[in-house]
Amino acid sequence: QSVLTQPPSVSGAPGQRVTISCTGSRSNIGAGYDVHWYQQLPGTAPKLLIHGNNNRPSGVPDRFSGSKSGTSASLAITGLQAEDEADYYCQSYDNNLKVFGTGTKVTVL
Amino acid sequence: QVQLQESGPGLVKPSETLSLTCTVSGGSVSSGSYYWSWIRQPPGKGLEWIGYIYYSGSTDYNPSLKSRVTISVDTSKNQFSLKLSSVTAADTAVYFCARDVIVQGNSMDVWGQGTTVTVSS
Repeated sequence: QSVLTQPPSVSGAPGQRVTISCTGSRSNIGAGYDVHWYQQLPGTAPKLLIHGNNNRPSGVPDRFSGSKSGTSASLAITGLQAEDEADYYCQSYDNNLKVFGTGTKVTVL
Repeated sequence: QVQLQESGPGLVKPSETLSLTCTVSGGSVSSGSYYWSWIRQPPGKGLEWIGYIYYSGSTDYNPSLKSRVTISVDTSKNQFSLKLSSVTAADTAVYFCARDVIVQGNSMDVWGQGTTVTVSS
């Protein structure tokens, strides 16, 4: 059982904005650890989407943005596109142990 | 452009040791800027971090697997490896290797394509 909880699924129509929450506690996100986000397209390896809470690696569209507050973090996707349909995972540390969130499946309606 | 490639047996018998290697190309496993991680994903489930190694040989492991895991590095071959002992069906998963960028909070910016390991007699 992961210590970082995400909603199992979110959905939206093309062009809409969706957000994915990553809820932790004082031993992980609340302790000041950075949160990173990964996108996993079906049958492929995860891809780094956001690092250090709100930083996009080169090549990641600015439709993706991250934020962190207290014991939670969020990933927002604006202008949802069909190719955004994937699984998304947050990742942080819990007492110096690298941990992933439970994962969220994004469906484009 | 750095690339990672996992290799190893796709089928391992229960109670035996799973052994995988990750070959780094386009970059050096000896760089002091990175850790090198192993992550796994059971069928239909989420990601689990197994552990990582620094080029010096320093390691850190997931406590839930620590008694069975060994990660090593071979700088001469530009590879790092995973050994998981006493495997059971619960160890059936896709195994990924990845590069951790230290200055980016150890986020994993390069991943191998993954290799499927099935534990079965």
